[in-house]
Amino acid sequence: EAGVAQSPRYKIIEKRQSVAFWCNPISGHATLYWYQQILGQGPKLLIQFQNNGVVDDSQLPKDRFSAERLKGVDSTLKIQPAKLEDSAVYLCASSLGQGKAFFGQGTRLTVV
Amino acid sequence: AQSVSQHNHHVILSEAASLELGCNYSYGGTVNLFWYVQYPGQHLQLLLKYFSGDPLVKGIKGFEAEFIKSKFSFNLRKPSVQWSDTAEYFCAGDGGSQGNLIFGKGTKLSVKP
Repeated sequence: EAGVAQSPRYKIIEKRQSVAFWCNPISGHATLYWYQQILGQGPKLLIQFQNNGVVDDSQLPKDRFSAERLKGVDSTLKIQPAKLEDSAVYLCASSLGQGKAFFGQGTRLTVV
Repeated sequence: AQSVSQHNHHVILSEAASLELGCNYSYGGTVNLFWYVQYPGQHLQLLLKYFSGDPLVKGIKGFEAEFIKSKFSFNLRKPSVQWSDTAEYFCAGDGGSQGNLIFGKGTKLSVKP
């Protein structure tokens, strides 16, 4: 079974630049999550989609972060403009519903 | 507010030693609990989960966890660790209707051969 695919694996940008991450969930998984994992901390939910609708984006910094899930499959997460404190690993996960979530390998973002 | 806390930041053990990693949760109602593991350079993987029923849950690779409602705890255990268990372990809870996970800060386990 193919897992959750994310790209790129690594990204280095300067502050105030923009960046986008891409996620392809496991086929058939209606629920998609984006998490932010800052070094030394556990993953923190940014946004949750159910098909192409947003279920929870209460912790998404909407002044600079945006996400979309077109056609209820792939998703992109964008940061514009980036700040130093956005340096983290961005994890995408998908699931059939409540319960077991499958995670991608993440995108490690460094903002300098 | 819902939260999950893990007691230990870094645990160092020798092979064959027994392991117990602490996890406490704070939820108002029904809660589902999980342990995830992240091996070096790999993605997060589910070790085990508790939804209801038998409070002693067995997972992959010889791991188990016990849900103790009176203590709001869900500690992870393994009777004899191996060098290959070196990884970071995350406790997580899902107490809402949305199904999203709230993670603890993680415990890094280093097993010396």
